[in-house]
Amino acid sequence: SQQGEEDPQALSIQEGENATMNCSYKTSINNLQWYRQNSGRGLVHLILIRSNEREKHSGRLRVTLDTSKKSSSLLITASRAADTASYFCATTFEDYKLSFGAGTTVTVRA
Amino acid sequence: SQTIHQWPATLVQPVGSPLSLECTVEGTSNPNLYWYRQAAGRGLQLLFYSVGIGQISSEVPQNLSASRPQDRQFILSSKKLLLSDSGFYLCAWSNNGNQPQHFGDGTRLSIL
Repeated sequence: SQQGEEDPQALSIQEGENATMNCSYKTSINNLQWYRQNSGRGLVHLILIRSNEREKHSGRLRVTLDTSKKSSSLLITASRAADTASYFCATTFEDYKLSFGAGTTVTVRA
Repeated sequence: SQTIHQWPATLVQPVGSPLSLECTVEGTSNPNLYWYRQAAGRGLQLLFYSVGIGQISSEVPQNLSASRPQDRQFILSSKKLLLSDSGFYLCAWSNNGNQPQHFGDGTRLSIL
Protein backbone atom coordinates (compact mmCIF):
# COMPACT_ATOMS: atom_id res chain seq x y z
CA SER A 1 0.00 0.00 0.00
CA GLN A 2 1.16 3.56 -0.61
CA GLN A 3 2.12 5.44 2.51
CA GLY A 4 3.35 8.74 1.13
CA GLU A 5 0.85 11.22 -0.22
CA GLU A 6 2.12 14.20 -2.19
CA ASP A 7 0.39 17.54 -2.36
CA PRO A 8 -0.47 19.19 -4.69
CA GLN A 9 -1.15 16.60 -7.38
CA ALA A 10 -0.09 19.09 -10.05
CA LEU A 11 1.83 22.36 -10.07
CA SER A 12 2.42 24.84 -12.90
CA ILE A 13 4.98 27.60 -12.44
CA GLN A 14 6.92 30.12 -14.48
CA GLU A 15 10.59 29.55 -15.16
CA GLY A 16 12.64 31.14 -12.40
CA GLU A 17 9.98 30.70 -9.73
CA ASN A 18 10.28 28.33 -6.80
CA ALA A 19 8.27 25.11 -6.61
CA THR A 20 7.22 23.57 -3.32
CA MET A 21 5.57 20.20 -2.88
CA ASN A 22 4.67 18.34 0.28
CA CYS A 23 4.57 14.73 1.35
CA SER A 24 2.66 13.25 4.28
CA TYR A 25 3.05 9.74 5.62
CA LYS A 26 1.33 7.61 8.23
CA THR A 27 3.80 5.50 10.18
CA SER A 28 7.27 5.86 11.67
CA ILE A 29 10.08 5.89 9.14
CA ASN A 30 13.80 5.14 8.85
CA ASN A 31 14.26 7.60 6.06
CA LEU A 32 12.35 9.53 3.42
CA GLN A 33 13.51 9.85 -0.16
CA TRP A 34 12.54 12.09 -3.06
CA TYR A 35 12.66 10.91 -6.67
CA ARG A 36 12.08 12.58 -10.03
CA GLN A 37 10.53 10.91 -13.07
CA ASN A 38 10.60 12.40 -16.52
CA SER A 39 7.76 11.31 -18.77
CA GLY A 40 8.11 7.71 -19.83
CA ARG A 41 11.40 7.18 -17.99
CA GLY A 42 12.62 5.54 -14.84
CA LEU A 43 12.90 7.33 -11.50
CA VAL A 44 15.99 9.25 -10.51
CA HIS A 45 16.96 9.57 -6.86
CA LEU A 46 17.24 13.18 -5.64
CA ILE A 47 17.69 13.28 -1.88
CA LEU A 48 17.53 10.93 1.11
CA ILE A 49 16.80 12.41 4.53
CA ARG A 50 17.07 10.29 7.65
CA SER A 51 14.51 10.33 10.42
CA ASN A 52 16.91 12.17 12.75
CA GLU A 53 17.60 14.93 10.19
CA ARG A 54 15.50 18.04 9.72
CA GLU A 55 16.83 19.62 6.55
CA LYS A 56 19.01 18.71 3.60
CA HIS A 57 20.23 20.57 0.55
CA SER A 58 21.46 19.44 -2.84
CA GLY A 59 22.09 22.14 -5.43
CA ARG A 60 18.75 23.92 -6.03
CA LEU A 61 16.87 21.34 -3.95
CA ARG A 62 15.95 21.72 -0.30
CA VAL A 63 14.18 19.01 1.67
CA THR A 64 12.72 19.36 5.14
CA LEU A 65 11.41 16.65 7.42
CA ASP A 66 9.07 17.07 10.37
CA THR A 67 8.62 13.69 12.03
CA SER A 68 6.19 15.10 14.62
CA LYS A 69 3.84 16.05 11.78
CA LYS A 70 4.85 13.08 9.61
CA SER A 71 5.51 15.37 6.70
CA SER A 72 8.26 16.46 4.35
CA SER A 73 8.61 19.18 1.76
CA LEU A 74 10.70 19.51 -1.39
CA LEU A 75 11.61 22.98 -2.59
CA ILE A 76 13.07 23.56 -6.05
CA THR A 77 14.52 27.06 -6.32
CA ALA A 78 14.89 29.07 -9.53
CA SER A 79 13.06 26.45 -11.58
CA ARG A 80 14.06 25.61 -15.13
CA ALA A 81 12.19 23.98 -18.00
CA ALA A 82 14.26 20.84 -17.38
CA ASP A 83 12.66 20.54 -13.93
CA THR A 84 9.36 19.61 -15.61
CA ALA A 85 8.71 16.10 -14.27
CA SER A 86 6.79 14.12 -11.68
CA TYR A 87 8.21 14.10 -8.17
CA PHE A 88 7.65 11.26 -5.72
CA CYS A 89 8.34 10.85 -2.05
CA ALA A 90 9.03 7.39 -0.68
CA THR A 91 9.51 6.17 2.87
CA THR A 92 11.24 3.18 4.41
CA PHE A 93 10.49 1.58 7.71
CA GLU A 94 11.56 -1.65 9.43
CA ASP A 95 11.41 -3.81 6.33
CA TYR A 96 13.42 -1.23 4.36
CA LYS A 97 11.09 -1.44 1.38
CA LEU A 98 10.17 1.81 -0.31
CA SER A 99 6.56 2.93 -0.15
CA PHE A 100 5.77 5.54 -2.83
CA GLY A 101 3.17 8.25 -3.03
CA ALA A 102 1.21 9.07 -6.18
CA GLY A 103 3.47 12.00 -7.04
CA THR A 104 3.29 15.69 -7.89
CA THR A 105 3.45 16.65 -11.56
CA VAL A 106 5.42 19.86 -12.03
CA THR A 107 5.24 21.89 -15.23
CA VAL A 108 7.69 24.76 -15.66
CA ARG A 109 6.55 27.27 -18.29
CA ALA A 110 9.15 29.15 -20.29
CA SER B 1 30.18 2.99 -12.11
CA GLN B 2 26.99 1.01 -11.74
CA THR B 3 24.46 0.70 -14.53
CA ILE B 4 21.11 -1.00 -14.88
CA HIS B 5 19.70 -2.28 -18.15
CA GLN B 6 16.09 -3.17 -18.69
CA TRP B 7 14.53 -4.46 -21.89
CA PRO B 8 12.55 -4.29 -24.02
CA ALA B 9 11.48 -0.65 -23.80
CA THR B 10 8.02 -1.36 -25.19
CA LEU B 11 6.10 -4.56 -25.68
CA VAL B 12 2.69 -5.34 -27.13
CA GLN B 13 1.39 -8.79 -26.32
CA PRO B 14 -1.92 -10.61 -26.85
CA VAL B 15 -3.96 -11.81 -23.90
CA GLY B 16 -2.91 -15.30 -22.86
CA SER B 17 0.63 -15.04 -24.21
CA PRO B 18 3.71 -15.53 -22.01
CA LEU B 19 5.96 -12.73 -20.77
CA SER B 20 9.61 -12.36 -19.95
CA LEU B 21 11.16 -9.04 -18.97
CA GLU B 22 14.83 -8.94 -18.13
CA CYS B 23 16.87 -6.63 -15.95
CA THR B 24 20.63 -6.71 -15.42
CA VAL B 25 22.88 -4.64 -13.20
CA GLU B 26 26.57 -3.99 -13.79
CA GLY B 27 29.28 -2.61 -11.57
CA THR B 28 28.09 -3.93 -8.22
CA SER B 29 27.72 -7.27 -6.49
CA ASN B 30 24.95 -8.77 -4.38
CA PRO B 31 22.53 -5.90 -4.95
CA ASN B 32 18.95 -5.84 -3.72
CA LEU B 33 16.73 -6.05 -6.82
CA TYR B 34 13.16 -4.87 -7.25
CA TRP B 35 10.31 -5.06 -9.77
CA TYR B 36 7.65 -2.34 -9.68
CA ARG B 37 4.55 -1.64 -11.72
CA GLN B 38 3.28 1.87 -12.31
CA ALA B 39 -0.27 2.57 -13.48
CA ALA B 40 -0.81 5.74 -15.52
CA GLY B 41 -0.56 8.84 -13.32
CA ARG B 42 0.11 6.83 -10.20
CA GLY B 43 2.95 5.91 -7.89
CA LEU B 44 4.90 2.69 -7.93
CA GLN B 45 3.61 -0.61 -6.61
CA LEU B 46 6.28 -3.03 -5.45
CA LEU B 47 5.75 -6.45 -7.06
CA PHE B 48 8.84 -8.45 -6.09
CA TYR B 49 12.16 -7.93 -4.40
CA SER B 50 15.23 -10.07 -3.98
CA VAL B 51 18.15 -9.87 -1.57
CA GLY B 52 20.14 -12.70 -3.19
CA ILE B 53 20.26 -15.40 -5.86
CA GLY B 54 17.15 -17.54 -5.74
CA GLN B 55 15.58 -15.41 -2.97
CA ILE B 56 12.35 -13.82 -4.13
CA SER B 57 9.70 -12.09 -2.04
CA SER B 58 6.31 -11.37 -3.54
CA GLU B 59 4.41 -8.34 -2.37
CA VAL B 60 1.03 -8.81 -4.00
CA PRO B 61 -0.85 -11.85 -5.31
CA GLN B 62 -0.89 -11.69 -9.06
CA ASN B 63 -0.40 -13.33 -12.37
CA LEU B 64 3.33 -12.66 -12.40
CA SER B 65 6.44 -14.34 -11.04
CA ALA B 66 10.06 -13.32 -10.67
CA SER B 67 13.35 -15.16 -10.72
CA ARG B 68 16.97 -14.29 -10.00
CA PRO B 69 19.11 -16.89 -11.77
CA GLN B 70 22.32 -14.88 -11.37
CA ASP B 71 23.52 -12.29 -8.89
CA ARG B 72 22.85 -9.32 -11.16
CA GLN B 73 19.97 -10.65 -13.24
CA PHE B 74 16.29 -10.28 -12.38
CA ILE B 75 13.51 -11.63 -14.58
CA LEU B 76 9.79 -10.92 -14.49
CA SER B 77 7.60 -13.58 -16.08
CA SER B 78 4.07 -14.67 -16.72
CA LYS B 79 2.72 -17.85 -18.27
CA LYS B 80 -0.51 -16.20 -19.49
CA LEU B 81 -0.96 -12.46 -19.62
CA LEU B 82 -4.18 -10.76 -18.59
CA LEU B 83 -5.50 -7.40 -19.74
CA SER B 84 -4.90 -6.12 -16.21
CA ASP B 85 -1.16 -6.81 -16.58
CA SER B 86 -0.81 -3.75 -18.80
CA GLY B 87 1.37 -1.04 -17.31
CA PHE B 88 4.82 0.43 -16.96
CA TYR B 89 7.26 -2.01 -15.35
CA LEU B 90 10.36 -0.75 -13.63
CA CYS B 91 13.37 -2.62 -12.33
CA ALA B 92 15.58 -1.11 -9.63
CA TRP B 93 18.60 -2.01 -7.51
CA SER B 94 20.08 -0.79 -4.24
CA ASN B 95 23.09 -1.67 -2.10
CA ASN B 96 20.79 -2.50 0.78
CA GLY B 97 17.23 -1.82 1.81
CA ASN B 98 18.01 1.50 3.48
CA GLN B 99 19.86 3.07 0.55
CA PRO B 100 18.58 4.91 -2.54
CA GLN B 101 17.26 2.79 -5.35
CA HIS B 102 18.47 3.15 -8.93
CA PHE B 103 15.96 2.55 -11.67
CA GLY B 104 16.05 1.26 -15.21
CA ASP B 105 14.19 3.07 -17.96
CA GLY B 106 11.19 0.80 -17.74
CA THR B 107 9.13 -1.39 -20.08
CA ARG B 108 5.79 -0.17 -21.38
CA LEU B 109 3.64 -3.32 -21.63
CA SER B 110 0.38 -3.21 -23.56
CA ILE B 111 -1.93 -6.21 -23.61
CA LEU B 112 -4.36 -6.52 -26.52
